[in-house]
Amino acid sequence: QSVLTQPPSVSAAPGQMVTIPCSGSSSNIANNYVSWYIQLPGTAPKLLIFEVNKRPSGTPDRFSGSRSGTSATLDITGLQTGDEAEYFCGSWDTSLNTWVFGGGTKLTVL
Amino acid sequence: EVQLVQSRAEVKKPGESLKIACQTSGYSFTSFWIGWVRQSPGKGLEWMGIIYPADSDTRYSPSFQGQVTISVDKSIKTAYLQWRSLKASDTAIYYCVRHGYCSTSFCYDIDEWGQGTLVTVSS
Repeated sequence: QSVLTQPPSVSAAPGQMVTIPCSGSSSNIANNYVSWYIQLPGTAPKLLIFEVNKRPSGTPDRFSGSRSGTSATLDITGLQTGDEAEYFCGSWDTSLNTWVFGGGTKLTVL
Repeated sequence: EVQLVQSRAEVKKPGESLKIACQTSGYSFTSFWIGWVRQSPGKGLEWMGIIYPADSDTRYSPSFQGQVTISVDKSIKTAYLQWRSLKASDTAIYYCVRHGYCSTSFCYDIDEWGQGTLVTVSS
């Protein structure tokens, strides 16, 4: 059971927008940075969003992150078939003194 | 370009020991905390612990404390993850990761990942 909670799957049509939520608590998301990772099949995860809403070079501006209280959200606009992947959220947990992850959300672009 | 290149896949028997490696390049090895993350089908991604190569200060997740050892060799900019006695439940993919920054009480984001090392433990 992951400390951060994500829906197992989401889906949307090409060109549409999708939102992936990540629910946590006051010991992680609410008071620490949140990051998002994309994992394509058979590959390692890769940083997509850091410090809640910043994009590393290489992340298209179709991807955006936000936070409200104990929840974070990854929004993807203008969906492309190449966006099909698993998406993980992550944050530091000050109670556990560890980095924690969500269980991952598989995005299907119909 | 920052690179974390991990050692090849391993197949071991229960009770055997193992040490896997993560060779780094493209950045100042002693300036960033480096750690390990386990990915297994039933348990998702799990953060195992980190080490600061400059002084080998090491922090473990309580779930992995005493089960594994994290170390570094500064001379070859390489981090290691070691088991003394493997169990079937250690079967997983292990990723080395770099944190952008860690203080005494928290870490910022994981900003780099190795390609992963598959460890299979089976009799």
